[in-house]
Amino acid sequence: SQQGEEDPQALSIQEGENATMNCSYKTSINNLQWYRQNSGRGLVHLILIRSNEREKHSGRLRVTLDTSKKSSSLLITASRAADTASYFCATKIIFGKGTRLHILP
Amino acid sequence: DVKVTQSSRYLVKRTGEKVFLECVQDMDHENMFWYRQDPGLGLRLIYFSYDVKMKEKGDIPEGYSVSREKKERFSLILESASTNQTSMYLCASSFQGGGSPDTQYFGPGTRLTVL
Repeated sequence: SQQGEEDPQALSIQEGENATMNCSYKTSINNLQWYRQNSGRGLVHLILIRSNEREKHSGRLRVTLDTSKKSSSLLITASRAADTASYFCATKIIFGKGTRLHILP
Repeated sequence: DVKVTQSSRYLVKRTGEKVFLECVQDMDHENMFWYRQDPGLGLRLIYFSYDVKMKEKGDIPEGYSVSREKKERFSLILESASTNQTSMYLCASSFQGGGSPDTQYFGPGTRLTVL
């Protein structure tokens, strides 16, 4: 069963632009997490936001959480080529299908 | 630094073979997980374990079994490999206590091809 669903499935932007990815989930949560996966590798944890938090920052990452809409967004500011990867949201042990982000030079 | 290792990065097996995928973590984590990842389907949970000798089925356990004899090691077993089990297999572990108990640490993955 898919708890998190990311949107869009794929995103291409120019280097330096901001990238926004969205995630929707179905049941109540204690927290929501975002992970990054470089091609052919394992996932790396980026950030966790708790259900009582509305926004959280980590470097160029900004995550928002709207529990009333059961949705979250991940914003990457001033994108770089190294940000090219797939991004997943997760609630506990259930992951979405991911957003493939491609940063164009 | 947290470390999760998987026994092979790439593996090629024949249909009907018994396949063992090993995962080891050095963080003393209680929880360990096995996922498979396929294009368009994302990560799907096969099995997980909250303690030694304990296992729970995930969403797609059919055709798989697991073993957790020691806390640091979680093995995924394909009893009789089939071509539809060709996939990327990802192992992960997490801490069960306070703080961020749901944060999972992943291994590099094993890309299994069954011919």
